[in-house]
Amino acid sequence: QKEVEQDPGPLSVPEGAIVSLNCTYSNSAFQYFMWYRQYSRKGPELLMYTYSSGNKEDGRFTAQVDKSSKYISLFIRDSQPSDSATYLCALNQAGTALIFGKGTTLSVSS
Amino acid sequence: EAEVAQSPRYKITEKSQAVAFWCDPISGHATLYWYRQILGQGPELLVQFQDESVVDDSQLPKDRFSAERLKGVDSTLKIQPAELGDSAMYLCASSLGLAGTNEQFFGPGTRLTVL
Repeated sequence: QKEVEQDPGPLSVPEGAIVSLNCTYSNSAFQYFMWYRQYSRKGPELLMYTYSSGNKEDGRFTAQVDKSSKYISLFIRDSQPSDSATYLCALNQAGTALIFGKGTTLSVSS
Repeated sequence: EAEVAQSPRYKITEKSQAVAFWCDPISGHATLYWYRQILGQGPELLVQFQDESVVDDSQLPKDRFSAERLKGVDSTLKIQPAELGDSAMYLCASSLGLAGTNEQFFGPGTRLTVL
């Protein structure tokens, strides 16, 4: 079993839809939970960064962490064609390398 | 806005040749990471530096890969000799490296193709 599991999709939605992206993990020592967005042939861009269980909102994006279930989510409201990208969850302990999921490819059609 | 710089952006080489990649982290960032990302996968760590010291190189194939960060600022990753299986995106990331700060910021990557 990999430390971080993420459904690679692809996920296709119409413009304006609410998107839900998820990861599960097995290592309860993970302290930090991140979501990165990666456009084709580009480096990952940090979208959301959370430390504890609960929700964190930034504009159209909401990150949710449930440590008891070892489950993290990213919600995108009012999705736009410009949101079409690969979304990577990443987890770690303080000062260590990130452990990434495989990434979920999202396509938003206008 | 401060960014991680990498060069070259693209590199095509033949197997058995030597290649080198360069990374300049965000100014003031003490921790530097090299990751490798195979198509369709998430990035995986190759080596982590804290200032000029190697913190973690357990996943670095040391028979052919080497990395250095001599002055604790920019870094070079070298592959010699390159193999077909080394074709991937090589990503550099940096973070402040201070207690309580953990965000890692990535550069644009170097896409390597080994023929």
